[in-house]
Amino acid sequence: DTGVSQNPRHKITKRGQNVTFRCDPISEHNRLYWYRQTLGQGPEFLTYFQNEAQLEKSRLLSDRFSAERPKGSFSTLEIQRTEQGDSAMYLCASSSGTGRYEQYFGPGTRLTVT
Amino acid sequence: AQSVAQPEDQVNVAEGNPLTVKCTYSVSGNPYLFWYVQYPNRGLQFLLKYITGDNLVKGSYGFEAEFNKSQTSFHLKKPSALVSDSALYFCAVRDLYNFNKFYFGSGTKLNVKP
Repeated sequence: DTGVSQNPRHKITKRGQNVTFRCDPISEHNRLYWYRQTLGQGPEFLTYFQNEAQLEKSRLLSDRFSAERPKGSFSTLEIQRTEQGDSAMYLCASSSGTGRYEQYFGPGTRLTVT
Repeated sequence: AQSVAQPEDQVNVAEGNPLTVKCTYSVSGNPYLFWYVQYPNRGLQFLLKYITGDNLVKGSYGFEAEFNKSQTSFHLKKPSALVSDSALYFCAVRDLYNFNKFYFGSGTKLNVKP
């Protein structure tokens, strides 16, 4: 069990640019979640995958956000035409399902939009 | 709507003293409740969960939590605090109808002083 990894750990981009983040979940976990966390707040749910299927998407996720999980393994979160309000920590988590609801989180990707 | 509230932004306690980090929930049915801890530059780590059964739940690192239905609370406790317990603590509840959606509190910063 090598844990959940996320890359990059930090990303600084200019407003209007596109960015893509990657998450590698724990290998046997079929459930994958993306959250956004801003300073002083808890994680806010963005989207959820079971295997390769995206089953839930928060209303927080505008059309500029898209997530994929090809082949049910790693996942990517892309933000197009970034805005300063997108600056946040983006967290990925995975879980095994089958009645075990606890999630295992990666270290996050901190996005700064200038 | 389901939610959790953490009424204290910060809790200060001396090493060796008992600690309590408070969480109240708002759920119309039987809640699934969780506690996570976040150390600086690390992802959230699962501490413990309440699903059903005994109201006193024991978790990692000597932490425990008491589910109180009448007070709609799920406070995190530890009999003797360590300096290394200093971190950010988050309470979370699972959505009643969407089993893969979770709502987190805003977090409580625990400071344990030597």
